Amino acid sequence: DAGVTQSPTHLIKTRGQQVTLRCSPISGHKSVSWYQQVLGQGPQFIFQYYEKEERGRGNFPDRFSARQFPNYSSELNVNALLLGDSALYLCASSLAGTGGVSNQPQHFGDGTRLSIL
Amino acid sequence: QKEVEQDPGPLSVPEGAIVSLNCTYSNSAFQYFMWYRQYSRKGPELLMYTYSSGNKEDGRFTAQVDKSSKYISLFIRDSQPSDSATYLCAIRGGSNYKLTFGKGTLLTVNP
Repeated sequence: DAGVTQSPTHLIKTRGQQVTLRCSPISGHKSVSWYQQVLGQGPQFIFQYYEKEERGRGNFPDRFSARQFPNYSSELNVNALLLGDSALYLCASSLAGTGGVSNQPQHFGDGTRLSIL
Repeated sequence: QKEVEQDPGPLSVPEGAIVSLNCTYSNSAFQYFMWYRQYSRKGPELLMYTYSSGNKEDGRFTAQVDKSSKYISLFIRDSQPSDSATYLCAIRGGSNYKLTFGKGTLLTVNP
């Protein structure tokens, strides 16, 4: 079975531009979460989506937004890019119970490496 | 105090050694405990997942959770060069899916 797939794998942008990253969850997984991983650090939580609704948001500015589609795939959008947005952006999916929370673990894709010049 | 503390290493061991990786956490509301392995330029791969105190074993890997001390460990027996990677501990509460990660420990197993 296919795991979590993310596209593109690598992206180079300049300051002030906008970017859209895409994620397809594992088949049957309805919950999708996004994380930012800066070099040398652990991933930081950005968003969780379940049934097309935002269920959780981390400490990130409003320049970051996301959405989930009826097929449970998701997009992460970042506006007005800053040099500090350079990072590996990870998508994770999981089985979810009622309300979007269960005791199931999250499985990660290989991420999109975003470089800001 | 950070929610999750993990010694970043780096840690270098000879092939066949027993490796011990550790994290401490501050919030007693955390209920689920995970270890992920991350190879260079790859995403985190789930190794171990537990939600109770005690030991859980899977092949050469053993995860240990001590909720009273807020301390979790991962032991790797008979370490192999293919185990060389960054190991991340991750913890979450019961009411949402947010994972809180440690900084990761870079492990190198030398042949």
